[in-house]
Amino acid sequence: AQSVTQLGSHVSVSEGALVLLRCNYSSSVPPYLFWYVQYPNQGLQLLLKYTSAATLVKGINGFEAEFKKSETSFHLTKPSAHMSDAAEYFCAVSRGFGNEKLTFGTGTRLTIIP
Amino acid sequence: DTGVSQDPRHKITKRGQNVTFRCDPISEHNRLYWYRQTLGQGPEFLTYFQNEAQLEKSRLLSDRFSAERPKGSFSTLEIQRTEQGDSAMYLCASSLAGSPAGLGNEQFFGPGTRLTVL
Repeated sequence: AQSVTQLGSHVSVSEGALVLLRCNYSSSVPPYLFWYVQYPNQGLQLLLKYTSAATLVKGINGFEAEFKKSETSFHLTKPSAHMSDAAEYFCAVSRGFGNEKLTFGTGTRLTIIP
Repeated sequence: DTGVSQDPRHKITKRGQNVTFRCDPISEHNRLYWYRQTLGQGPEFLTYFQNEAQLEKSRLLSDRFSAERPKGSFSTLEIQRTEQGDSAMYLCASSLAGSPAGLGNEQFFGPGTRLTVL
């Protein structure tokens, strides 16, 4: 079985500060990992994905994540937060090829302080 | 450029009624997924199709739930005899299986249908 754990259901950062959203995974096979963002009353949008190529993955809107097998982690970072980054962020895992079912974490709500 | 669309966006129904939701995937996508998201939680997988074949169903999908994708294009999700616990956002996603590595592996999500059961 696969699972992800997102540490911190709410994170607040000041505008311009570093954003760090934590995700740890559990998988019996090499995982495919994803970060999605959800704005209010909207569907999920893919930020970035890890599919066993480069361990440092760059995504949209300046976000990136690093796959660390030894720590079973896939934390999401952005060097400088912007007001438009305020949203709910979900980490997800799948068994492979990214086309099988996604197992999501419980989400982290990011608030940006002006 | 049309993404995944879902209809209706909102549905309010009384307990015991049947409801049906529709999802139109991105036109060339052959895989279609349904997820359910309750307040404060991440989406939970319900079922998925490749073309018209339903390949996997979650244990969450009780016998009151049925999904179809009759012609391998749009899909419907029906809930019979709705219960208050069915209140949730129902999300649909599509993807292109078998595409070259690095392309089309991700699932593209629709805006969801929010169901409220009174």
